[in-house]
Amino acid sequence: GAVVSQHPSWVICKSGTSVKIECRSLDFQATTMFWYRQFPKQSLMLMATSNEGSKATYEQGVEKDKFLINHASLTLSTLTVTSAHPEDSSFYICSARASGRKSYEQYFGPGTRLTVT
Amino acid sequence: GQQLNQSPQSMFIQEGEDVSMNCTSSSIFNTWLWYKQDPGEGPVLLIALYKAGELTSNGRLTAQFGITRKDSFLNISASIPSDVGIYFCAGPLGSGSRLTFGEGTQLTVNP
Repeated sequence: GAVVSQHPSWVICKSGTSVKIECRSLDFQATTMFWYRQFPKQSLMLMATSNEGSKATYEQGVEKDKFLINHASLTLSTLTVTSAHPEDSSFYICSARASGRKSYEQYFGPGTRLTVT
Repeated sequence: GQQLNQSPQSMFIQEGEDVSMNCTSSSIFNTWLWYKQDPGEGPVLLIALYKAGELTSNGRLTAQFGITRKDSFLNISASIPSDVGIYFCAGPLGSGSRLTFGEGTQLTVNP
C-alpha cells in the first residue's frame, strides 16, 4: 500500500516553454501532497504544500507564479513549471500524506528529472 | 531553527559490517522518520518513530528516538550491497504536516 506515481519520469524541454508534472496516489486518498526539488548530492527542499480543493502553500523563496500547483482531486496533484529556464533543471519529487494515517508519514513518488535546454 | 544535522556525511564499509548513523537537532521533535533514497528514485520510508526512547526495527534496520527528543539513530546490521544509497532523517517542520530533512548519509558497501 501507499504507492505514489509521477509522470513523466523525465522530460527535456526548451527554455521558455512550460512543463506539467503529475503526481498520483494510487491506492489511497491524499488530502495533502508535497512538492520537493532536489539538486545533485543535496537533500530534499520543500517547495510547496498542496491541499485538495484549496490553494497551495509555498515555502519562502519559491515563486508561486512560476511553479503552479493544482490539487483537484484526492489522488492527483500537478506541478507546472512555467516559462522554464535552465536553472529550473532539477529532480522534482512529490509525496503524499494518506488521509487518516499518522500525520507525518509521507510517501514519495519516483521523481521527475527535468532538463531545460 | 529546525535544522537537522545528520552524520556521518558518507560511509564506506565492507559487506557484513554493521552501520550506525545519527541525526541531531537543537529543537525538540515529536516524530522522527528515516528514509532511504536510491539513485534516481524517490525516498522510501524505512522507519517512523513517535515516542521518546522508542526503539523500532524493520528487518536488519533499527532506529531509536532519543530520550532528549533532539536526536535519533539508525543502525543497519550485517550490511549487504543493496543497502547502498542515501539515508535521510526527517522531522516535522513547524506546525502542520510538513517535513524537514537532514543532509543525508551516503552509504557505500563494498562486496
